[in-house]
Amino acid sequence: QSVLTQTPSVSAAAGQKVTISCSGSSSNIGNNYVSWYQQLPGTAPRLLIYDNNKRPSGIPDRFSGSKSGTSATLGITGLQTGDEADYYCGTWDSSLSAVVFGGGTRVTVL
Amino acid sequence: EVQLVESGGGLVQPGGSLRLSCAASGFTFSYYAVNWVRQAPGKGLEWVSGISGSGGRTYYADSVKGRFSISRDNSKNTLYLQMNSLRAEDTAVYFCARQGYSSYWYIDSWGQGTLVTVSS
Repeated sequence: QSVLTQTPSVSAAAGQKVTISCSGSSSNIGNNYVSWYQQLPGTAPRLLIYDNNKRPSGIPDRFSGSKSGTSATLGITGLQTGDEADYYCGTWDSSLSAVVFGGGTRVTVL
Repeated sequence: EVQLVESGGGLVQPGGSLRLSCAASGFTFSYYAVNWVRQAPGKGLEWVSGISGSGGRTYYADSVKGRFSISRDNSKNTLYLQMNSLRAEDTAVYFCARQGYSSYWYIDSWGQGTLVTVSS
């Protein structure tokens, strides 16, 4: 059971938009910054979003992040077949003094 | 270009020990905190341990506390994870991961991972 809760799977047609939620508590998301990672099949994760809503260089603006209270959201617009992957949220948990990840969300492009 | 290359994985019996290494290049190693993150077969990401740039501060997940030890040698640009009293549930791909240069935690670079299998 992960400390951060993510919907196990989402799907949408190519070109459409999906949102992935990440729910936590005041000890993690509520008082720390959230990052998001994409893991394509058989590869290492890749940073998509850090500090709640910042994109590293090279990440297209189709990917966006936001945070409200103890929840965070990753949005993907203009969905492409290459976006089929597992997506994870992560942050520091001040009570545990540990990093926590969500259980992951698999995105399927119909 | 940032590169993180893990080594040292393999098959080990329950109760055994293993030491993982991560060779870093392409950046000033001592400036960055680094972490170990693992992924059991077919499962999600699990943070294992982290260490500050100087090595003075270390952090562990409860699941490995007392059994694993993280360390670094900044003169060799290398990160280590000493794993003792290994259990079947420690079977996973172990990723070396560089923490972003920020006050807040995130990982900005990942290695390709090394597989650790704990089985008799």
